[in-house]
Amino acid sequence: AQTVTQSQPEMSVQEAETVTLSCTYDTSESDYYLFWYKQPPSRQMILVIRQEAYKQQNATENRFSVNFQKAAKSFSLKISDSQLGDAAMYFCAYGSGNTGKLIFGQGTTLQVKP
Amino acid sequence: AAGVIQSPRHLIKEKRETATLKCYPIPRHDTVYWYQQGPGQDPQFLISFYEKMQSDKGSIPDRFSAQQFSDYHSELNMSSLELGDSALYFCASSPPGLAGGLGTDTQYFGPGTRLTVL
Repeated sequence: AQTVTQSQPEMSVQEAETVTLSCTYDTSESDYYLFWYKQPPSRQMILVIRQEAYKQQNATENRFSVNFQKAAKSFSLKISDSQLGDAAMYFCAYGSGNTGKLIFGQGTTLQVKP
Repeated sequence: AAGVIQSPRHLIKEKRETATLKCYPIPRHDTVYWYQQGPGQDPQFLISFYEKMQSDKGSIPDRFSAQQFSDYHSELNMSSLELGDSALYFCASSPPGLAGGLGTDTQYFGPGTRLTVL
């Protein structure tokens, strides 16, 4: 069975600084996808970034980028130039290439200090 | 852009009652997923449908059933409600994958239905 682990329950960053959220996963599947979702206090699940496992190049979306280490089964999220609106719960998620279902990590609460 | 619609947004029920949650996927999305998120927890996969057929099943109680209709909307039916069923229920949809089939595209989440069982 696939598992996703986020070992940082809470993180804090100063506005305009950079922060990295960690995620590790375990799987025996060869076809899968990895995601970071943001959940603000409204509880809406918002896609931040997506990475296909077969791609070696790390995905980037504006201020958000990932460090995907396939052999180590690691998938960290880097947020540059942090903004107050980035404050939220961040979930790392594994997407099965076979069934599509998502398996989420426990989440990391990010606090952004002005 | 159109998003996933869920109704109702809030629902309050008594123990042992029945609830029906509805999900309307983004137009032209053919796959629907249901997730349950308890207080302070991560979302847990319940069930999914692809082209109106059940495609996968997770930790969904036997008291729950779901289906996807011809217009691709989906309904989650919950019977004999228990206090532990109180949670946020998300529906997500994804479009036909470039390679076809499941698991090849991003899931877009609806706003969720907050179910409270008293």
